[in-house]
Amino acid sequence: DGGITQSPKYLFRKEGQNVTLSCEQNLNHDAMYWYRQDPGQGLRLIYYSQIVNDFQKGDIAEGYSVSREKKESFPLTVTSAQKNPTAFYLCASEAGFSSTDTQYFGPGTRLTVL
Amino acid sequence: AQSVTQLDSQVPVFEEAPVELRCNYSSSVSVYLFWYVQYPNQGLQLLLKYLSGSTLVKGINGFEAEFNKSQTSFHLRKPSVHISDTAEYFCAVSDQLGGSYIPTFGRGTSLIVHP
Repeated sequence: DGGITQSPKYLFRKEGQNVTLSCEQNLNHDAMYWYRQDPGQGLRLIYYSQIVNDFQKGDIAEGYSVSREKKESFPLTVTSAQKNPTAFYLCASEAGFSSTDTQYFGPGTRLTVL
Repeated sequence: AQSVTQLDSQVPVFEEAPVELRCNYSSSVSVYLFWYVQYPNQGLQLLLKYLSGSTLVKGINGFEAEFNKSQTSFHLRKPSVHISDTAEYFCAVSDQLGGSYIPTFGRGTSLIVHP
């Protein structure tokens, strides 16, 4: 089955800790995205990557970091600098980097800071 | 930059009734429009999209949407809803900015179908 996987589904973190959220896709897609979802605020773009070894900041990149060493993988690290990290995080991929492409989403990771 | 407004944060409706979820976007010369659905604790999946051609677009699960350029709207409709349609619905818009593509999502509309 082709698709996007995110792990873990639920993640708990203590204040001051960095955590890494995994995102893997086997769709052979070039572009990948990370979004943050908070109630009533829709999706906000954190980072995106058009190709391997390249990524760009989105609207709310502060306190987050990413890497794109392989086409299939786009992990997101939530650092201790992120002041309010409790949220639902969604990873998405897209075949190219085109206005007409559909985004395919993973099932999400719910991060809670204790 | 594009902006997307979903006018209703929540839409309650009874089963088998018709529903319309509203979406308006800021104007652009060339725009592409999408509706996604999100079931609880899951990712989003595409319902339908408008790229060009007929302004009435049919999607999965009996949903359809109409692109209205003059009103800059892309409202989603279903003639008869089911309990299983209870979910969050997101409108998204994209355009071509300097050769790159960044989608903009609305804040979402929660459709609640009552028996």
